[in-house]
Amino acid sequence: DTAVSQTPKYLVTQMGNDKSIKCEQNLGHDTMYWYKQDSKKFLKIMFSYNNKELIINETVPNRFSPKSPDKAHLNLHINSLELGDSAVYFCASSQDGGPGPNYGYTFGSGTRLTVV
Amino acid sequence: TQLLEQSPQFLSIQEGENLTVYCNSSSVFSSLQWYRQEPGEGPVLLVTVVTGGEVKKLKRLTFQFGDARKDSSLHITAAQPGDTGLYLCAGTYNFNKFYFGSGTKLNVKP
Repeated sequence: DTAVSQTPKYLVTQMGNDKSIKCEQNLGHDTMYWYKQDSKKFLKIMFSYNNKELIINETVPNRFSPKSPDKAHLNLHINSLELGDSAVYFCASSQDGGPGPNYGYTFGSGTRLTVV
Repeated sequence: TQLLEQSPQFLSIQEGENLTVYCNSSSVFSSLQWYRQEPGEGPVLLVTVVTGGEVKKLKRLTFQFGDARKDSSLHITAAQPGDTGLYLCAGTYNFNKFYFGSGTKLNVKP
């Protein structure tokens, strides 16, 4: 199936741990993103990569580090996890440099991170 | 402060009813997109509106972009349980980055 797939679907971990979330897209898209959705369902962009190059880096703690080994993969590593990091993290991709008049983001199904 | 305010936050209606949800901003956007998100899934694009005053129809869904390109509405005719979900609008100035609203959670009861 053509899609954006991210793993794991659920992640429960203790404060202070380091964890990674992986994302892969087989749509041939050039641009990939990480979004964070909080408990109020507000989706906020964290990072954007275009052909492995960092394009958007929003005000995100530097405990969050994205890595794009190739244009089909964008992983998110989080160091020293805090309670406030609990959220659903979505990976997404889009054609060209970003959504356009005729196409939008294709989102993965999300990773629910719970920090205890 | 969010760029895009969506209303209502929650809407629970009976199957067959009509409804309208709104997406408002004080900013002028070059484009607005609407997404639907079902529980446990990522948002799925429904439509993109680009021109002020533009109206687009997708079966029972009608989307309108305000003349001043600051707001948009989504009207659903004869809602069905399959329409249940979180409806998100997202606006952009230059297609480089989209800003999402916090959504309207719709529940259509059979």
